Amino acid sequence: GAVVSQHPSWVICKSGTSVKIECRSLDFQATTMFWYRQFPKQSLMLMATSNEGSKATYEQGVEKDKFLINHASLTLSTLTVTSAHPEDSSFYICSARDTGRDTEAFFGQGTRLTVV
Amino acid sequence: DAKTTQPPSMDCAEGRAANLPCNHSTISGNEYVYWYRQIHSQGPQYIIHGLKNNETNEMASLIITEDRKSSTLILPHATLRDTAVYYCIVSRYTGFQKLVFGTGTRLLVSP
Repeated sequence: GAVVSQHPSWVICKSGTSVKIECRSLDFQATTMFWYRQFPKQSLMLMATSNEGSKATYEQGVEKDKFLINHASLTLSTLTVTSAHPEDSSFYICSARDTGRDTEAFFGQGTRLTVV
Repeated sequence: DAKTTQPPSMDCAEGRAANLPCNHSTISGNEYVYWYRQIHSQGPQYIIHGLKNNETNEMASLIITEDRKSSTLILPHATLRDTAVYYCIVSRYTGFQKLVFGTGTRLLVSP
């Protein structure tokens, strides 16, 4: 099946620094990718929809200046957590659908961010 | 997108069938039923999806009621590795359509 890869799998950073998470579709093109955040024992919460070549669409309550999304190619979307704080510590997950074939969505393995 | 309702948790004995229900009474005609599962600390894994006919693949079977207001995911012979949170999601079938996750059902398969 189609593969979506996230990097890094886990990251620890200091408060005030920025962290970039990459999401790649390895064997298909994705015009649209999605970013989720998941806190312990909770469900996935959609943060934003990443659109290739245009601005991302953020869900209500998600700060676009804090969570910068760039979707520069049909196989890569990045999420940058700027000026990270301990409350940003979470499990970040991306997903993508093969827009050329209208398949189900595939998810990355997730990135565990810990801000100390 | 239509909302779904699932029981918070279920138990199943290893080797037995696990039947996970989902209510989606507000589903519209062009919305599919998707099932994903999430094993601890991993990204969600696609299981199966359907529109109105029952579906079966190597992982599971999906039974959708005739009025499409509910469905059941069946794992025919549950194993310990099937312990996970199972999410039932209703969404239109298009690459641009986002998936909104509910609270899911935590399935515990025991020896």
